[in-house]
Amino acid sequence: AQSVTQPDIHITVSEGASLELRCNYSYGATPYLFWYVQSPGQGLQLLLKYFSGDTLVQGIKGFEAEFKRSQSSFNLRKPSVHWSDAAEYFCAVGSLYSSASKIIFGSGTRLSIRP
Amino acid sequence: EAGVAQSPRYKIIEKRQSVAFWCNPISGHATLYWYQQILGQGPKLLIQFQNNGVVDDSQLPKDRFSAERLKGVDSTLKIQPAKLEDSAVYLCASSLVTSSYEQYFGPGTRLTVT
Repeated sequence: AQSVTQPDIHITVSEGASLELRCNYSYGATPYLFWYVQSPGQGLQLLLKYFSGDTLVQGIKGFEAEFKRSQSSFNLRKPSVHWSDAAEYFCAVGSLYSSASKIIFGSGTRLSIRP
Repeated sequence: EAGVAQSPRYKIIEKRQSVAFWCNPISGHATLYWYQQILGQGPKLLIQFQNNGVVDDSQLPKDRFSAERLKGVDSTLKIQPAKLEDSAVYLCASSLVTSSYEQYFGPGTRLTVT
C-alpha cells in the first residue's frame, strides 16, 4: 500500500536560513508526488508536484523539491526562509485506480521561524 | 474564480448530537472530496464524488457518517451521532475531473465534540 513518512514533526529555522523538509514514500510504481502547505486557519495549498521528467521541480513561493528514486525521497527545500513561511507542510503521494485519483498525505511537519 | 466554500467554519457540539457541514466546490468541478484531518495528522479521505455518484467511500464510517451530493454541485457531510474522536477539521476539496490530482481545498470546518 502507498504511504508517506515525514520523519520531522516540528522544525525551527532562523529567518534567512535554508530549509529542507524530509519526505519518504512507499509506492510500487513511479509515484506522483506533492507538497502542500497549510497556514493557520487556511486550506491546503499546492506548492509543487512531480509526475515525471526532471527530478528537480520548482514550485511557488521559492520552494523546490528533488525526487530521488534510489532513496524513495522527495525532500522540499528553500534557500532562504521568510517569517511568512511558518506553516504546516504535507508531503503526499498520488495513486490512480479505476480512473479515479487518490492522494495520501503524510502526517506533516510544522515549520516555525526564529526571528 | 471563487474558491471552495465551506460552512460553518467552526462548530462545537456535545457527544451524541448530530452535525452537518456544507461544501460548495469550484464551479465546473466534477469531483468533490471530503477529508478528515485530526490534530497532528495529515488529511484522510472520507469520500469522493464524481458528479452526484460516489467513487470511493471506503474510509467513511458509515454507521455514523453520511454524505450526499444530490445535484452534482454542492455537498453535505453529516455525523450522527457524534463521538469525541470525531473532533477534527473537515476539509472539502474539488477537482475538474476525477482523474486529476489538481485538488483545490476549502478552508475547512473545525469540529469540537465535548
